[in-house]
Amino acid sequence: KNQVEQSPQSLIILEGKNCTLQCNYTVSPFSNLRWYKQDTGRGPVSLTIMTFSENTKSNGRYTATLDADTKQSSLHITASQLSDSASYICVVRSVGNGGSQGNLIFGKGTKLSVKP
Amino acid sequence: NAGVTQTPKFQVLKTGQSMTLQCAQDMNHEYMSWYRQDPGMGLRLIHYSVGAGITDQGEVPNGYNVSRSTTEDFPLRLLSAAPSQTSVYFCASSRQMDDRPYEQYFGPGTRLTVT
Repeated sequence: KNQVEQSPQSLIILEGKNCTLQCNYTVSPFSNLRWYKQDTGRGPVSLTIMTFSENTKSNGRYTATLDADTKQSSLHITASQLSDSASYICVVRSVGNGGSQGNLIFGKGTKLSVKP
Repeated sequence: NAGVTQTPKFQVLKTGQSMTLQCAQDMNHEYMSWYRQDPGMGLRLIHYSVGAGITDQGEVPNGYNVSRSTTEDFPLRLLSAAPSQTSVYFCASSRQMDDRPYEQYFGPGTRLTVT
């Protein structure tokens, strides 16, 4: 069964510190992996999209890594800010029929709280 | 561009009532979809559409209907609301569903409570 597992479930860090969120998946065949940020009461917003051939991708203070062999991804946040407090969702897209995009499979998210 | 818009933002229904959640996008995206988000669960796909006149079921379609008469609009209808449909509903859109990793844009959500 295609699944996306995220850890930890929740995390509290102090402002200015770094943190790393983990994502393991069993989705096959794999097409791409996405990280979304979801602020409380709002819709998810994309941070990165990574395909099979990409190992690292950065978006400002956010850096995502992908190891397609071990089916693991991580999201590293550098010098955290209060505005980073949100849920971070890992999403994997499989390959659909005829090589088209399959549907997205969502992880349950990691809830990050950044404290002053 | 307004992106993906959803109305209403909040709604309370009684069991058995029907209603339509509205979703519109102004990016000329072919692909639109509806998700529900429940506590402790990942987003789950309800219905999706790959273009005007074409819709298909997702993971949890029971109790919901959709139609796509225009590229811009993709309403979600609850036929007879049940407490199990209490959830936050998100509409999303993106360019075509092919082998390129197109960005998917989400609306702000509709928080629905069924009593």
